[in-house]
Amino acid sequence: AQSVTQLDSQVPVFEEAPVELRCNYSSSVSVYLFWYVQYPNQGLQLLLKYLSGSTLVESINGFEAEFNKSQTSFHLRKPSVHISDTAEYFCAVSDRDQKVTFGTGTKLQVIP
Amino acid sequence: DAGVIQSPRHEVTEMGQEVTLRCKPISGHNSLFWYRQTMMRGLELLIYFNNNVPIDDSGMPEDRFSAKMPNASFSTLKIQPSEPRDSAVYFCASSSGGLSTDTQYFGPGTRLTVL
Repeated sequence: AQSVTQLDSQVPVFEEAPVELRCNYSSSVSVYLFWYVQYPNQGLQLLLKYLSGSTLVESINGFEAEFNKSQTSFHLRKPSVHISDTAEYFCAVSDRDQKVTFGTGTKLQVIP
Repeated sequence: DAGVIQSPRHEVTEMGQEVTLRCKPISGHNSLFWYRQTMMRGLELLIYFNNNVPIDDSGMPEDRFSAKMPNASFSTLKIQPSEPRDSAVYFCASSSGGLSTDTQYFGPGTRLTVL
């Protein structure tokens, strides 16, 4: 069975500072990894995903995540956050059976 | 593209009443997912359909919950009778292709409050 662990439920960070949101997964088969973002009172939307190939994937708004197979991690990073990045971030893993397992989420609070 | 449409956006009902949540997936998508989100349990997959057929309903909490997808453009999630512990935000999502690599597109959710 697959699972996702997001150890940090909340991460406060000052504007323009770097941030890392941690995600670890467990799975017995090849996995596909995703980060979704949920802005207040909205549904989730895809931020980025790793399917294969380069282990570093990037989003259009400056976030990046690196797939590390040996550490079973897929941490999300941004070198300089903006107020508009305040949201909840969900890491997710799926397998060939299509079932997606979401983590419990990390609330990123950007402080002016 | 209007995205995934859910109705109602908010529902307040009393314990014991029947509740029906509705979802219209993105046109052309052939997979549909129902999720429940609560503070205590996070985001839980309730059921998902592929080509209108229920594939995995292992997340449906109990017999009070049922879901249907009569055609490619409409799905319902029904709770009968409703209980206060059903209070949550219910999301519908759809994806194309039916593959595990596909992005899921979420609707805005229905916030259900059972008094």
